[in-house]
Amino acid sequence: DGGITQSPKYLFRKEGQNVTLSCEQNLNHDAMYWYRQDPGQGLRLIYYSQIVNDFQKGDIAEGYSVSREKKESFPLTVTSAQKNPTAFYLCASRPIGTGVDNEQFFGPGTRLTVL
Amino acid sequence: GENVEQHPSTLSVQEGDSAVIKCTYSDSASNYFPWYKQELGKGPQLIIDIRSNVGEKKDQRIAVTLNKTAKHFSLHITETQPEDSAVYFCAATAGGTSYGKLTFGQGTILTVHP
Repeated sequence: DGGITQSPKYLFRKEGQNVTLSCEQNLNHDAMYWYRQDPGQGLRLIYYSQIVNDFQKGDIAEGYSVSREKKESFPLTVTSAQKNPTAFYLCASRPIGTGVDNEQFFGPGTRLTVL
Repeated sequence: GENVEQHPSTLSVQEGDSAVIKCTYSDSASNYFPWYKQELGKGPQLIIDIRSNVGEKKDQRIAVTLNKTAKHFSLHITETQPEDSAVYFCAATAGGTSYGKLTFGQGTILTVHP
């Protein structure tokens, strides 16, 4: 059963703590993305990666970090420097190539609440 | 960079009516325009997309139109059903060196009343 998994679905952390959100895909996609979603707003790009060991900042990268050590994994760390971390976080992946290479597939999301 | 504006923010229709959601984009280099449906607490799912070399695309009750000159595109849902109730997002990407980065609209909450 192919797809994107994000864990956990709900995450609670105390203010000042770093937290890492998991994203795994078995679709053999090259590109992976992290988005943040706030109520009443569209998705905003945090980081993206086209290949292993390479990633670029998106529009709102401050206070976040990522790694891409394996093709199927793209974890996101929300650091204590992120001023307003409570949000719904979505991971996506995309094949690179011709045809449907632009379509992004999304995971189920992780809702992070910082207390 | 790209900017995508989406209207309306909320849309309420009766079952069986049509629903139309409109988006405008700013970057004339954008060439791929997907529409996503997001149900409560879930990730978005692609429902239809269109590329800049096509003016209209249809899939059963859903259609998308694109006007490159005016830089706007629209989602049309006919014969709406209660299960169409969700948040709908439009997006745009320029392809090429944009690395498939999508810029999303703000979303439209569609409610279909039985």
